[in-house]
Amino acid sequence: DAGITQSPRHKVTETGTPVTLRCHQTENHRYMYWYRQDPGHGLRLIHYSYGVKDTDKGEVSDGYSVSRSKTEDFLLTLESATSSQTSVYFCAIRSGGTNTGELFFGEGSRLTVL
Amino acid sequence: AQSVTQPDIHITVSEGASLELRCNYSYGATPYLFWYVQSPGQGLQLLLKYFSGDTLVQGIKGFEAEFKRSQSSFNLRKPSVHWSDAAEYFCAVAAVRGAGSYQLTFGKGTKLSVIP
Repeated sequence: DAGITQSPRHKVTETGTPVTLRCHQTENHRYMYWYRQDPGHGLRLIHYSYGVKDTDKGEVSDGYSVSRSKTEDFLLTLESATSSQTSVYFCAIRSGGTNTGELFFGEGSRLTVL
Repeated sequence: AQSVTQPDIHITVSEGASLELRCNYSYGATPYLFWYVQSPGQGLQLLLKYFSGDTLVQGIKGFEAEFKRSQSSFNLRKPSVHWSDAAEYFCAVAAVRGAGSYQLTFGKGTKLSVIP
């Protein structure tokens, strides 16, 4: 158990509404990640964080923002959800040092945008 | 930019048969390589990893993988597949773009079906 909790696990929303997904860790790791998983695309990195208030963009960051005000929580926000953001979102934490280590994943949050 | 190719979208094997899942990567430096497994409705679980040293790495659940630099490959193998191995498998390569930017890039996955 990697000590990662994602919430909500399932959410259905309408186009244009804001959505926030939460990732909570109990391991006190510095590095956290948000990925999305879509059929035929594997996992693609949205944003990541390398410390409190330190975040950066990944491969598919358009339409998403993140915040990390404390070590244990990493929030992913869709300011105005679109149908193309229907996906399964995974949070991950990384053990190891600055440039090493593996990722441990949460159980995922399934988001449907109607 | 780094990338990972998993040529096989779907593989079907009989229980007890051997398995090899292919993974090719593109990265300019010495790669860190990973295999993850995902059961339906679950998150990803790390099977094994390669950072350095012995190019044949052992993982959990009887899996192993061999790093071949000359072929830019990191293929996953198992000598005898069990029905419980049916899942989707992802290969990943780590890349560093600068301070704090260590991140994993994943392949699109290979779905494994097992015939009893």
